[in-house]
Amino acid sequence: EDKVVQSPLSLVVHEGDTVTLNCSYEVTNFRSLLWYKQEKKAPTFLFMLTSSGIEKKSGRLSSILDKKELFSILNITATQTGDSAVYLCAVYQVVAGGTSYGKLTFGQGTILTVHP
Amino acid sequence: DTGVSQNPRHKITKRGQNVTFRCDPISEHNRLYWYRQTLGQGPEFLTYFQNEAQLEKSRLLSDRFSAERPKGSFSTLEIQRTEQGDSAMYLCASSSTWGGAYNEQFFGPGTRLTVL
Repeated sequence: EDKVVQSPLSLVVHEGDTVTLNCSYEVTNFRSLLWYKQEKKAPTFLFMLTSSGIEKKSGRLSSILDKKELFSILNITATQTGDSAVYLCAVYQVVAGGTSYGKLTFGQGTILTVHP
Repeated sequence: DTGVSQNPRHKITKRGQNVTFRCDPISEHNRLYWYRQTLGQGPEFLTYFQNEAQLEKSRLLSDRFSAERPKGSFSTLEIQRTEQGDSAMYLCASSSTWGGAYNEQFFGPGTRLTVL
């Protein structure tokens, strides 16, 4: 069965701290791994990773994928209270037998709380 | 607003009643997805449409659930004989087929269903 597992499930830090969120996966027909941020509403897209070892950065957020060990990490440096949210990892899988569409399988999320 | 819209935003119903949710995707998107998210979990894939064709259904979609996209534009998700376990956030997402194998899925605000 396809699975995506995130750790830790929750994390409480203070502003200015650096955090690392983990995502491991075991899925068939892997194509890419995505990170989303969810704040009491629909998930918003952060990163998509398809190649191992290539870091993607956006401001204080960065992420990297290891396709050999089947995991990804999301780093947030100099955290701010506005970073408080659920961070979701998802794997995009191509449906077996098809090459033009697929589906996202999500992990359970990491709840990040940043205190002032 | 040209994003994905969903109606209603909240629905409270009694066990055994039928409910129907609507999703209006971004107008030029031909791919539409339904997900279900329960408290403390990531979204779970339910079904996928390309234009009006329903191409993929999760085994989570029991025979009480049915989804349609009659003209390849808006979609409806109906749950018959609701059960308390159906209480969740139902998310709709849409994407285009332009570009590579994966195109970003844009999520709607969701419909929160509470079954009493």
